[in-house]
Amino acid sequence: GQNIDQPTEMTATEGAIVQINCTYQTSGFNGLFWYQQHAGEAPTFLSYNVLDGLEEKGRFSSFLSRSKGYSYLLLKELQMKDSASYLCASMDSNYQLIWGAGTKLIIKP
Amino acid sequence: GAVVSQHPSWVICKSGTSVKIECRSLDFQATTMFWYRQFPKQSLMLMATSNEGSKATYEQGVEKDKFLINHASLTLSTLTVTSAHPEDSSFYICSAQPSRDRVNEQFFGPGTRLTVL
Repeated sequence: GQNIDQPTEMTATEGAIVQINCTYQTSGFNGLFWYQQHAGEAPTFLSYNVLDGLEEKGRFSSFLSRSKGYSYLLLKELQMKDSASYLCASMDSNYQLIWGAGTKLIIKP
Repeated sequence: GAVVSQHPSWVICKSGTSVKIECRSLDFQATTMFWYRQFPKQSLMLMATSNEGSKATYEQGVEKDKFLINHASLTLSTLTVTSAHPEDSSFYICSAQPSRDRVNEQFFGPGTRLTVL
């Protein structure tokens, strides 16, 4: 079956670094997505990885290992506005996104 | 660019009535649009995939006669929840994809919160 696993909730301190892990098992693979979703709002795109390695985009970086079925999202210099849910999604062979349940990130001052 | 709008942003209706939700790509043509449903504290659940000019493909467990999808043009898709019941109350989100070749581009609308009394 298809499955995406990510932690339910994480807590971090303002200014610190946090890594949100995601493991996936999908029928085929056409890329791994990370989205940010604030409560009551639609997801907004953060990153897309289809090749192994680290993609850096400002304070956010995303890593992919296809052989391990593993990805992580790294957030640096955390700000209070980064408090949100972070959704990991894998695109399967039919180009459909298979979504994880999301990781709620709580930032404390 | 790449803006997707949804209308209405929220709606409250009585049980048994029908509700139509519109999803529009404002500055691009969307060959494919996706409809999702999200219950509180849960992830997005894909309901159906619609391609312009053809019938929507529904996910297992989603009743096509209850959730009517029409993708009449390259910029508009509608979802009609027929004979709504309280258990249909949810956050409905659409997303639009410019082309099949650009699989990493899927733009989300702001969502529609439906409450059925």
